[in-house]
Formats: sequence, structure tokens, C-alpha cells
Amino acid sequence: GAGVSQSPSNKVTEKGKDVELRCDPISGHTALYWYRQSLGQGLEFLIYFQGNSAPDKSGLPSDRFSAERTGGSVSTLTIQRTQQEDSAVYLCASSPREARRVGTQYFGPGTRLLVL
Amino acid sequence: QKEVEQNSGPLSVPEGAIASLNCTYSDRVSQSFFWYRQYSGKSPELIMSIYSNGDKEDGRFTAQLNKASQYVSLLIRDSQPSDSATYLCAGGGNTGFQKLVFGTGTRLLVSP
Repeated sequence: GAGVSQSPSNKVTEKGKDVELRCDPISGHTALYWYRQSLGQGLEFLIYFQGNSAPDKSGLPSDRFSAERTGGSVSTLTIQRTQQEDSAVYLCASSPREARRVGTQYFGPGTRLLVL
Repeated sequence: QKEVEQNSGPLSVPEGAIASLNCTYSDRVSQSFFWYRQYSGKSPELIMSIYSNGDKEDGRFTAQLNKASQYVSLLIRDSQPSDSATYLCAGGGNTGFQKLVFGTGTRLLVSP
């Protein structure tokens, strides 16, 4: 079946512009995660959605970052007034709900963001 | 203590050797454990999951979980240059802590 998809695959923007990154999770997956990965670095957790629960926003680096998930499916990560330090690969992952444990995460291909 | 900790490496092993990757975790991520492999410029891909104490084997890969000592390891037998990548350990809790938490990854280099 279809995996996690993300768009755009690459985005170049100018400092100060807003950008929107999209994630389409695997159908039926209740959990959705956003991560950021700078060149040569580990995964930086940004935000986590689980079903209809309030999202865990504890990883968002500043109030310029926000995310929403409409209808429990597609998610959009928005970065306002982009800065050069926002340049990174933004990864989305989804996982199924399991009865008593955390589900396996499946990653999308990522969006490579470059802020000039 | 970080919830999931890994040595960043690099871990260098010769082709054909056994590569041993280790990960320790805190009480909050005590239920589910995963090993992911990430090639440079690519997304992480799942190698194995393990939920119970003991060993779990899949081809050349063996995951080991020791809940008493709070560590999980990944052994790669007959290492190949194509195994050169960053290996990410991840852990998840139970109902009270559903979020999956990743370590920073260990870089593995397998030399021909």
C-alpha cells in the first residue's frame, strides 16, 4: 500500500517568508509525528498528534512554528518568517494505534528546506 | 538522564565482523523498542522491533533487550560495507507515555 508522502520534496525560500509543509500519513494510522533533521545531526522531535487528543507541541523551537492535523489525517507544518537556521530536512512519520504499546513509525521521504 | 541514549560513534568494523550497537533507556520508555537504519540523505527505515526480554533474530540482525539493565542492543553479523549507516534506537512507553523517543544515533562504518 501507499506509504507516508510529503510535499514538496524540496523548498527554497527567502528569509522572512512563510512556508507550509504537508504530510499525508498512511491510511488508518492514528499517530503522526514531525521531526527536523539538520545536516549530520539526529532527529529533533517537533510535534506529535495522536487521534483526537491534544497534540504534544513540546518540541516546537519557537512560536514561528505551528502544525495542524485536519480530520485526523493530513498534517501541515507551518513556519512563519523563516530564518536561515530553519534550513533542514523536515520528516513526517505515522504509526498505527496498538492496544498497549507504541506503534512502529513509518517515515516519509522528507522535505528539504533551504532558507536563503 | 535522556530517555534514550546512544554513543554517536563512529563504530568502525571490518567486513565480515560482528557490529554491536548499544542503547540505554530511562523508565519512561520501557515498553517498545525499535532499531532504524538511516543512510546519508535518506529517511530512517525500520530494521527491527522488540518488546520482550531476550533475543530476536531476523537474518543477519539480532536485537537484544534487557529490561533489568535497561539496555537494548543490535548485533549485525557478517557486516557488509552496505551496512554503513547511522543506526537509531527508539523507545516508547505504555499508555501513559505513548510518544516514541529516538536516540541521537550511532554511525557505523564497515570497511572492505
